[in-house]
Amino acid sequence: EAGVAQSPRYKIIEKRQSVAFWCNPISGHATLYWYQQILGQGPKLLIQFQNNGVVDDSQLPKDRFSAERLKGVDSTLKIQPAKLEDSAVYLCASSLAPGRGYTFGSGTRLTVV
Amino acid sequence: SQQGEEDPQALSIQEGENATMNCSYKTSINNLQWYRQNSGRGLVHLILIRSNEREKHSGRLRVTLDTSKKSSSLLITASRAADTASYFCATDGYNTNAGKSTFGDGTTLTVKP
Repeated sequence: EAGVAQSPRYKIIEKRQSVAFWCNPISGHATLYWYQQILGQGPKLLIQFQNNGVVDDSQLPKDRFSAERLKGVDSTLKIQPAKLEDSAVYLCASSLAPGRGYTFGSGTRLTVV
Repeated sequence: SQQGEEDPQALSIQEGENATMNCSYKTSINNLQWYRQNSGRGLVHLILIRSNEREKHSGRLRVTLDTSKKSSSLLITASRAADTASYFCATDGYNTNAGKSTFGDGTTLTVKP
């Protein structure tokens, strides 16, 4: 089966600019996650979707981050405006159902200068 | 705060040796997962062990879970240079924490040829 697709692979932006990441999960996976992984740390959950509804966004900095999952398939994560501390790898993962283990995409490496 | 904490932070061994990594967590879990991450890439799911299981095998991987000690270990036998990667444990909780895996900061394994 095809894996989780993410784009772009790399992005460099200046602080205060905006950026968007895209994720296409495995077909049929109802649960989709966005994680932020800062260099040297483990992934930190930003938001969890079940189909096209938000299950948990308690750790999403909502003043600058937003995410949507239209039609319960693809998802986009946006940062506006970006800060230097947003430099990280943004990982998308999907799962058949909660608690079933995740399949991760290759991630988008964001550098904010 | 992170639920899972891996130990050691870094491990360096010779090819052919066994590698053991440990994970400790704080609250009750539904399951625990181990992932591998090669440099600059996404995470790959290795094994999921449920709270009512004590041991699981997959090829050269052996995972144990001791819920009384709130700890798990990942053993890689007969290591290869290709096993060089970071290894993360992630825990899934119950109820509102179901399906929201919390990751530790990982163990960096280096296998020298």
